Amino acid sequence: DIVMTQSPGSLAVSLGERATINCKSSQSVLYSSKDKNHLAWYQDKPGQPPKLLIYWASSRESGVPDRFTGSGSGTDFTLTITSLQAEDEATYYCQQYYNTPYTFGQGTRLEIK
Amino acid sequence: QVQLRESGPGLMKPSQTLSLTCTVSGGSIASGAYYWNWIRHHPAKGLEWIGHIYYSGSTNIHSGGSTSYTPSLKSRVNISIDASKNQFSLRLHSVTAADTAVYYCAREDGTRDFGLDVWGQGTTVTVSS
Repeated sequence: DIVMTQSPGSLAVSLGERATINCKSSQSVLYSSKDKNHLAWYQDKPGQPPKLLIYWASSRESGVPDRFTGSGSGTDFTLTITSLQAEDEATYYCQQYYNTPYTFGQGTRLEIK
Repeated sequence: QVQLRESGPGLMKPSQTLSLTCTVSGGSIASGAYYWNWIRHHPAKGLEWIGHIYYSGSTNIHSGGSTSYTPSLKSRVNISIDASKNQFSLRLHSVTAADTAVYYCAREDGTRDFGLDVWGQGTTVTVSS
């Protein structure tokens, strides 16, 4: 199985500032033939289903604000959220869908100060 | 647009078999080529992918689609699809307290590889004697 490791486990960032969340996979999730990383980011809020934010490591899902940016390739990935809003308080998960079993990171809890 | 909705019992006793159904609305489960997934979220823990079933318009209705499961649950889980009802289902045998979680169904486009783009609202399952 591919192990996904996120850091930090939690962070508190002030309103309007920037948050950075890291995700590392135990093996590459880059499909060379497609030149696509099978890596997604989700936002998880209590009482709601997880919401897809980013797919292919850096492509923003339709309707997701451009404050959310994904980057990285191979085994190292980053989710950056700029101009933090109160509604961004949530837990964020990375997930690889390169092969089964699909696996998630342990989550990063983001608190807005 | 496509919507998913989970249904099933909220409370289970240990050793029973959990049966959950995901109803797809706003589109046909047999149109296109999709992976239909089950994921669970344990209390105070993270997300765990349970498995999925692949189904396309060319799938032999009698074969029911191809499945893949997470190894830790493979011996106890079965995912099936009923295209005539636009539903897919999860069966988890011999449940224990460790299976207490919120269970989600989710869709993945098998041709676009966008990740899990449509999720149900989730259903809480509690296993307790």
